[in-house]
Amino acid sequence: NAGVMQNPRHLVRRRGQEARLRCSPMKGHSHVYWYRQLPEEGLKFMVYLQKENIIDESGMPKERFSAEFPKEGPSILRIQQVVRGDSAAYFCASSPLDSALARGYTFGSGTRLTVV
Amino acid sequence: KQEVTQIPAALSVPEGENLVLNCSFTDSAIYNLQWFRQDPGKGLTSLLLIQSSQREQTSGRLNASLDKSSGRSTLYIAASQPGDSATYLCAVIWNNDMRFGAGTRLTVKP
Repeated sequence: NAGVMQNPRHLVRRRGQEARLRCSPMKGHSHVYWYRQLPEEGLKFMVYLQKENIIDESGMPKERFSAEFPKEGPSILRIQQVVRGDSAAYFCASSPLDSALARGYTFGSGTRLTVV
Repeated sequence: KQEVTQIPAALSVPEGENLVLNCSFTDSAIYNLQWFRQDPGKGLTSLLLIQSSQREQTSGRLNASLDKSSGRSTLYIAASQPGDSATYLCAVIWNNDMRFGAGTRLTVKP
């Protein structure tokens, strides 16, 4: 069991480019959560997805950010037209269906986005 | 609104000292609470998970307690070591929705 896999580990983008962050949940996990950690700050919830559904996107900025979790393949967090303020560590967590309450969440190692 | 608060924001102690980190949360209808450790530039390592029906969990020198009615949890670290230096994050889970505190940055001096 490879755990929650995020790639790339580090991503550098110029202002105005697009950033695509990938998260492969643990085997058997159908829930994915994305969090953002700005420098010197705590983790802020962004979005919660199940396969092919967005359950809660209350933490997502209204513009330029989107997320998906297709039937096949990893979950993708997409940031269009990046700005310097998007520079942060983006963490993904996964949990099994209806078991998160008992087992908690498993986090990936994160993707560190730097916008130059 | 569901919020998680951690105090202190930073803590520096000499090696060997016992210490307590605090976490408070609004809305006592939680499912469970999880303590994580984060080293600089690294991901999150789960330390302890307390389910809502439990009052405490222990792992080695770590002990976490939960008082749902007062909306509080504490993480107790016994006989602290320099290797314990890290940021400790409290995360509260409400109905498949997890929220984090801002963390306590711990420094244990040799």
